[in-house]
Amino acid sequence: DARVTQTPRHKVTEMGQEVTMRCQPILGHNTVFWYRQTMMQGLELLAYFRNRAPLDDSGMPKDRFSAEMPDATLATLKIQPSEPRDSAVYFCASGFQAGLEAFFGQGTRLTVV
Amino acid sequence: AQSVSQHNHHVILSEAASLELGCNYSYGGTVNLFWYVQYPGQHLQLLLKYFSGDPLVKGIKGFEAEFIKSKFSFNLRKPSVQWSDTAEYFCAVNDQNRDDKIIFGKGTRLHILP
Repeated sequence: DARVTQTPRHKVTEMGQEVTMRCQPILGHNTVFWYRQTMMQGLELLAYFRNRAPLDDSGMPKDRFSAEMPDATLATLKIQPSEPRDSAVYFCASGFQAGLEAFFGQGTRLTVV
Repeated sequence: AQSVSQHNHHVILSEAASLELGCNYSYGGTVNLFWYVQYPGQHLQLLLKYFSGDPLVKGIKGFEAEFIKSKFSFNLRKPSVQWSDTAEYFCAVNDQNRDDKIIFGKGTRLHILP
C-alpha cells in the first residue's frame, strides 16, 4: 500500500533549537508539497517541488525555514531557529504531475516551547 | 491573489440530515477541484475530484460535488449523513494554466450528532 511517510510523527523542542522534518514521497511521484496546518490559518502551502527542483516557496518564512530534496526519495523541511509560533502540524504530500491529486502523509506535530 | 473560500466554518447536523458545504474559488482559468476529508487525528484523504467532463462528481462514502463554472463554486453534498462523517472537510483548487500549486480553503468542521 503506497503511502507518504513522514518522520517524526511528534516533536517537542525548545525555542531556538533546529528542527528537521522528513518526508518520503510515494515512489514515482515527482511533485512534493509541504503544508502547515494551524487552527487559525488552516492549511497553508509552504513550498513545493517538481522533479526535486523548488518551484515555489513563497509561503515559507525565508529567514528561518528551508526546504530541500536531496534525492527523489527524501524531502526535508528545516526550521532554524524554531519559535513557539511555529507550533503546528506539518504535512507533506506528493503527486505525480500537475493537477493530479496530492497524497498526504500522517503529518509531524511540532510543539515549540 | 488566488483563494478558496469555505463559507461554513463549523456545521452541526443530526444523523440522516442532508449536507451541503459551500466552496468558492477565485481563479479565472481552467481549474482542477478537490474535496478532502480529515478525520480526527488523521491525515487528509481525497473524497472526490473534478478535472473535466460531467460537472456532477461522485466520490467515496456517498459524497458528491457539483462544479458550477459560472458561480466559481464546487459545493459538497451528501443526502443523508452518518455519525462517522464527523470530520473536517477541505475544498482545494489547482489552476491548470498557472502552476502546480494546490490551494486549500480553511476547512469546515462537521459534527454529526448521533
